[in-house]
Amino acid sequence: EVQLVESGGGLLQPGGSLRLSCAASGFTVSRYAMSWVRQAPGKGLEWVSTFSGSGAYYADSVKGRFTISRDNFKNTLYLQMNRLRAEDTALYYCAKDQSYCGGDCYSAGYFQDWGQGTLVTVSS
Amino acid sequence: AIQLTQSPSSLSASVGDRVTITCRASQGISSGLAWYQQKPGKAPYLLIYEASSLESGVPSRFSGSGSETDFTLTISSLQPEDFATYYCQQFNGYPRTFGQGTKVEV
Repeated sequence: EVQLVESGGGLLQPGGSLRLSCAASGFTVSRYAMSWVRQAPGKGLEWVSTFSGSGAYYADSVKGRFTISRDNFKNTLYLQMNRLRAEDTALYYCAKDQSYCGGDCYSAGYFQDWGQGTLVTVSS
Repeated sequence: AIQLTQSPSSLSASVGDRVTITCRASQGISSGLAWYQQKPGKAPYLLIYEASSLESGVPSRFSGSGSETDFTLTISSLQPEDFATYYCQQFNGYPRTFGQGTKVEV
């Protein structure tokens, strides 16, 4: 059974940094593209970043501030968030992309499995 | 970025009703569209991918259609567990984008 468990969220001031983790079980992260999607309180879904065999991709709103990475040994996905802003306040979901693999594995584009999310609140 | 516009933003329906939600893309995306269901306090759940393919385990009362710019999610006979918010998402390149959501209420 696929499980994704996010952690690392919290309350912090604007300009601060945070690293989110997504521990995966039931599959091997190296064989899938993985993504982060966020949802501000009472709002819709917003794609944040994808780690794929073809590279890392970011929404314009986080480019240059957030970095996605993966530890294959720990079977864990990360999101390093720097220079946080109030508008980054959201529930952050980790998602496993449907993927196809040749030598590397690439995202098919949609999110097949989701974690339950970790809340990040940026406020002074 | 490709924008997705869902309509309506919300709708009221009854058990047994046929419900249709539309999603319009700002430019052609072939069949690169997925639909998700989200219930309050829960993570989104994949229903449909590639515009019309039903994800494994999803009830057959859900169906998707469309291509390029106009897409539809249909629930053929609404069940009590289907009251939720539905989102479309395009994957014709990056950035991935979502529609604003459609809330299906009693």
